[in-house]
Amino acid sequence: EAGVVQSPRYKIIEKKQPVAFWCNPISGHNTLYWYRQNLGQGPELLIRYENEEAVDDSQLPKDRFSAERLKGVDSTLKIQPAELGDSAVYLCASSLDRRVPYEQYFGPGTRLTVT
Amino acid sequence: SQQGEEDPQALSIQEGENATMNCSYKTSINNLQWYRQNSGRGLVHLILIRSNEREKHSGRLRVTLDTSKKSSSLLITASRAADTASYFCATAPFYGNKLVFGAGTILRVKS
Repeated sequence: EAGVVQSPRYKIIEKKQPVAFWCNPISGHNTLYWYRQNLGQGPELLIRYENEEAVDDSQLPKDRFSAERLKGVDSTLKIQPAELGDSAVYLCASSLDRRVPYEQYFGPGTRLTVT
Repeated sequence: SQQGEEDPQALSIQEGENATMNCSYKTSINNLQWYRQNSGRGLVHLILIRSNEREKHSGRLRVTLDTSKKSSSLLITASRAADTASYFCATAPFYGNKLVFGAGTILRVKS
């Protein structure tokens, strides 16, 4: 079974530039998560999707971040414009059960460096 | 904000020794999970313990949960160099599908 796929793995951009991350969850997983992980910290949830609906985006900085999940499968997270403080690893995860959080399956992440 | 706090922040042991990591949290939970993260990679789920369980085993892993103290511990027995990684606890509330991760413990196993 293929795991969660993310691309790109690494991205270096200058501040004020846009950037986008892509995620393909495990087949059949209806719940998809985007996390941000700063250096030396645990992941922090940015947004959670149930199928194509964003059900928790309270931690998403909506002035510059946007996300979409077309047809309830793949998802894209976008930052425009990027700031120096956005440098982090962006992790995508998916899970099968949506009622109570059980185990989540993580992709390898995209390491973003904003210069 | 991160609910779980791991202790210690970093741990260095010799291969074959046991490693114990602790996690404290603040609010009531449905379950608590432990994840491992190798350098430059995503997180891998290790074990889940429900709020009505006190101890759980999986291979060389042993997890305990004390809901009265709002704390959990992860024991890795007979450690190997391949166990070198960061370990995170994550708490799940009774309502709402959201895991909250701690800051992690960095484990280094020297061969």
